[in-house]
Amino acid sequence: DVKVTQSSRYLVKRTGEKVFLECVQDMDHENMFWYRQDPGLGLRLIYFSYDVKMKEKGDIPEGYSVSREKKERFSLILESASTNQTSMYLCASTNSVGGGSTDTQYFGPGTRLTVL
Amino acid sequence: DAKTTQPNSMESNEEEPVHLPCNHSTISGTDYIHWYRQLPSQGPEYVIHGLTSNVNNRMASLAIAEDRKSSTLILHRATLRDAAVYYCICKIIFGKGTRLHILP
Repeated sequence: DVKVTQSSRYLVKRTGEKVFLECVQDMDHENMFWYRQDPGLGLRLIYFSYDVKMKEKGDIPEGYSVSREKKERFSLILESASTNQTSMYLCASTNSVGGGSTDTQYFGPGTRLTVL
Repeated sequence: DAKTTQPNSMESNEEEPVHLPCNHSTISGTDYIHWYRQLPSQGPEYVIHGLTSNVNNRMASLAIAEDRKSSTLILHRATLRDAAVYYCICKIIFGKGTRLHILP
């Protein structure tokens, strides 16, 4: 069965802390994504990666960075957490991003991050 | 990128069919239409996808307009467990989706 796992379901951090959110997929997918989800705003793409060590900015990359050292793992980094980064963070993976039949995205359960 | 438009929310009675519409007027000829749903406190999950022909699976049916500028997700007999946010997407861009309320 397809699986995307995220390191934490709930996380509480303080303003200014460096925060790492980890995502692992076991489907050998090429592409991985990080989204954030806020009430009334739907899912917004932060960054995605189409290969190891490759990354592309999404719609809202400011305040975030990412790392993909291995194919199965994609990390989201908040260099200096701020209260406006309190949100639900969702990781996803897929085989393709071209709009084809293989680009079904598989999501993790999400990490609810609270920055105090 | 193809953008999709969906109603913010819809309501349906339990055990009745539900038709969730989606407009994607800028879809390209090779883009598939994917539908996902998100239950409370979970990540989105895949429901169904299609290119031109109508599609059926155990969860739902997908009716695609002949010009492919719109599609409709059909839940044949809604249950309370179908209450969720439903997203229609082409490529990787998610919109705000439709929040479906099921009335007992």
